[in-house]
Amino acid sequence: DSGVTQTPKHLITATGQRVTLRCSPRSGDLSVYWYQQSLDQGLQFLIQYYNGEERAKGNILERFSAQQFPDLHSELNLSSLELGDSALYFCASTSGGRTDTQYFGPGTRLTVL
Amino acid sequence: QQQVKQSPQSLIVQKGGISIINCAYENTAFDYFPWYQQFPGKGPALLIAIRPDVSEKKEGRFTISFNKSAKQFSLHIMDSQPGDSATYFCAASDSSNTGKLIFGQGTTLQVKP
Repeated sequence: DSGVTQTPKHLITATGQRVTLRCSPRSGDLSVYWYQQSLDQGLQFLIQYYNGEERAKGNILERFSAQQFPDLHSELNLSSLELGDSALYFCASTSGGRTDTQYFGPGTRLTVL
Repeated sequence: QQQVKQSPQSLIVQKGGISIINCAYENTAFDYFPWYQQFPGKGPALLIAIRPDVSEKKEGRFTISFNKSAKQFSLHIMDSQPGDSATYFCAASDSSNTGKLIFGQGTTLQVKP
């Protein structure tokens, strides 16, 4: 158990809908990274937050957004969902150092029908 | 474009054999190279990591070999066991950037009893 929790574990929704994925980092970790894992694209970095502020953006679509709250949990919001958004979404947390180990959560499997 | 190329895509090894997975990178600014292990239904977990100031790092049955001039690194699993059957990802990051990980495409390892 990495200490990172993600909810829900599974999410099935329809095209055009909006969903929110939640991540709670390990106790004391300030930084949260979001990654998308799909069969064709592999594991891809989406966005990073550090202590409530956005630090870096990767290949994140404009339909996607995220935030980190004062209690350090983070949410990834996916809107106007398309079939191609079906994937596993992972968050990872670190204490904040750029080469600290990233501890991954169990992921949320999103299926868009 | 920052890329990490991983091979082979899949690997079958007999119990007790050596598993070797290779990765190559392009960005010379990368200075942290972790390997992650992922079991079905789980998030990736850090296995072992290396920085470019050393050419080899060993932890138990797992060894990373690093060739800075060739921009290549590899994972060796000695005395492979059926419990090692999983997907392995190499990754790289640039500590002067945000620490986001750039992942290889993954290698599915099957160790036959």
